[in-house]
This record gives sequence, C-alpha cells and structure tokens, in this order.
Amino acid sequence: EVQLVESGGGLVQPGGSLTLSCGASGFTFSNFWMSWVRQATGKGLEWVAHIKDDGSVKSYVESVKGRFTISRDNAKNSLYLQMNSLRAEDTAVYYCAREIVGGLVDLDCWGQGTLVTVSS
Amino acid sequence: EIVLTQSPGTLSLSPGERATLSCRASQSVSSHSLAWYQQKPGQAPRLLIYGASSRAIGIPDRFSGSGSGTDFTLTIRRLEPEDFAVYYCQQSTTFGQGTKVEIK
Repeated sequence: EVQLVESGGGLVQPGGSLTLSCGASGFTFSNFWMSWVRQATGKGLEWVAHIKDDGSVKSYVESVKGRFTISRDNAKNSLYLQMNSLRAEDTAVYYCAREIVGGLVDLDCWGQGTLVTVSS
Repeated sequence: EIVLTQSPGTLSLSPGERATLSCRASQSVSSHSLAWYQQKPGQAPRLLIYGASSRAIGIPDRFSGSGSGTDFTLTIRRLEPEDFAVYYCQQSTTFGQGTKVEIK
C-alpha cells in the first residue's frame, strides 16, 4: 500500500524554525518528484515546494523563497521541509504528496497532514 | 502568474443529479497539467482527474473531465452521497479556490 506519513508539526513562535518530515512506503520513492502543499484552516490549497526524484531540482512558491528548504533522503525514503523565519501566515496543515507525472505537480498520493501553528 | 477561477462557489444539488463544475484560467494552459481534486472535511485531498481528462486510479467513471485552453470542466454524472465535498482544480503549482458541492 502506498503511504505517506508526515511528522514534525507543532507550535512555534514567530521567527522560529521547524522541520517537517514525510516518510514514504509502498512505492519506489527515488522514482518520484515530491511536493509539499499547505492549507490554512478553512482555506484552500496552496502548493509550497517540490523536488525532483534525484533532488537536483527544487522549486518554491514565492512567499517561502529564502525561508523554506525542501530536501530528500532517498536512502531513507524521506522528504523534508526545513522552515525558518516562520510567520503567522505560515500557519496551516502541511501535506506531503507524490507527483504522478514528474514536474507537473499532479498529486496522486497524499499524507494525512501535520499542523504547524505559528503564534506567540 | 496564472489564476484559476472556479465557479460556482457553492453548488446545491440532490443525490442523483448531475454536477458541472467550471475552472477558468487567466491565460491558456496546457491540458497536460490540469487536475481536479476532491476534499472532504478532515481529510487530505484526493486526485480525481489529471491531464484534464484522465481518471486517476480507483476513481469511478461517473467523474469526467474535459476542456482545453482556458476553460475546463469537471462533471459528476449522478451524484452519490459520498460525492458531497469541496473540489479544486489545479494547473501545475496553482490551485483554484474550490467549489463546494452541498446537499440541497
């Protein structure tokens, strides 16, 4: 069974840092581009970042450039999102997701999400 | 930057009725990267359609996607009780704002 499990969310103060992890199982992780998508409570979906299967290409939404870093460890079947200089507007559920067609961000498998709350 | 506008914001229908959801792009987009998702409360989104018209694995054939250029449509042929949810279109890294399909 294809499965993605996020962890690492929590409460952090404005300006703080947090690293999210996403563990993958049930498929060959190293063959797939992966994305992070977030959703503020009661709001729509916002794509955050994605990374190529071998880690050589990374892209970000403008609002997180310079603050967030996406990475992966194919040996550990894991995806990461390092978040620095966090702001209140970063508060959301963060989902990791697999791209069905690399680079096109068609997301065919999603984790259950992890909640990040940025507040003092 | 491409903007996707979904309409209507809310669609009130009864089970068994046909649902037609629209997604309009601010400029012409490739059909290869147009997708539709379903999201129920407290759940992660689920991919329904990719490449504008290809159903994802396990998606019932009552769901169909069509369109090209700037205008795309998701059609649910006969609404089942489990189809009442929020639907999002997506083109590459941009999502629409969603259409809620609610029970009338």
